[in-house]
Amino acid sequence: GAVVSQHPSRVICKSGTSVKIECRSLDFQATTMFWYRQFPKQSLMLMATSNEGSKATYEQGVEKDKFLINHASLTLSTLTVTSAHPEDSSFYICSARGGGAPDTQYFGPGTRLTVL
Amino acid sequence: KNEVEQSPQNLTAQEGEFITINCSYSVGISALHWLQQHPGGGIVSLFMLSSGKKKHGRLIATINIQEKHSSLHITASHPRDSAVYICAVGTGNQFYFGTGTSLTVIP
Repeated sequence: GAVVSQHPSRVICKSGTSVKIECRSLDFQATTMFWYRQFPKQSLMLMATSNEGSKATYEQGVEKDKFLINHASLTLSTLTVTSAHPEDSSFYICSARGGGAPDTQYFGPGTRLTVL
Repeated sequence: KNEVEQSPQNLTAQEGEFITINCSYSVGISALHWLQQHPGGGIVSLFMLSSGKKKHGRLIATINIQEKHSSLHITASHPRDSAVYICAVGTGNQFYFGTGTSLTVIP
């Protein structure tokens, strides 16, 4: 099946710094990528949807200036957490959708962010 | 009320047991996903199905569109199956996730 990778898998940073997380579709072109966030013992929550070459659509309550999403190519989307704070510590997951059926989503393995 | 409900929330089984995790949803869907999340957090997509039944190794997923219900079965369970299993449904415009079923398989 299709493969989606994320890098890094784990990152620890100091409060106030910015962290970039990459999401790559390895063997297909992802026209749409999704970014999710998961707090401990809770379900995944959609943060934003990004279509290649256009601005991301953010869910209500997600700060677009804090969580910068770039989808510059059909195989790469990046999520940058700017001026990170301890409350941003979470598990971030991306998924990618190709040109097939609307719900053919492939999930990345996730990135664990810890802000000290 | 959540659009996706899973049961049970927690499940402990002895190695070798047959396990069933259930998922009920209230929205019209175009596809249902079963995801596996290990303690370290990594997510693996197990199945994507819109009708019938799929099998992969010891895992079987079924879906009944009329009843809006899906089940994930694990045959001959093993401690390495211990993980959180998440049901997610897509409507074509939106995704809804269940809160997961935490499975522990004891040797």
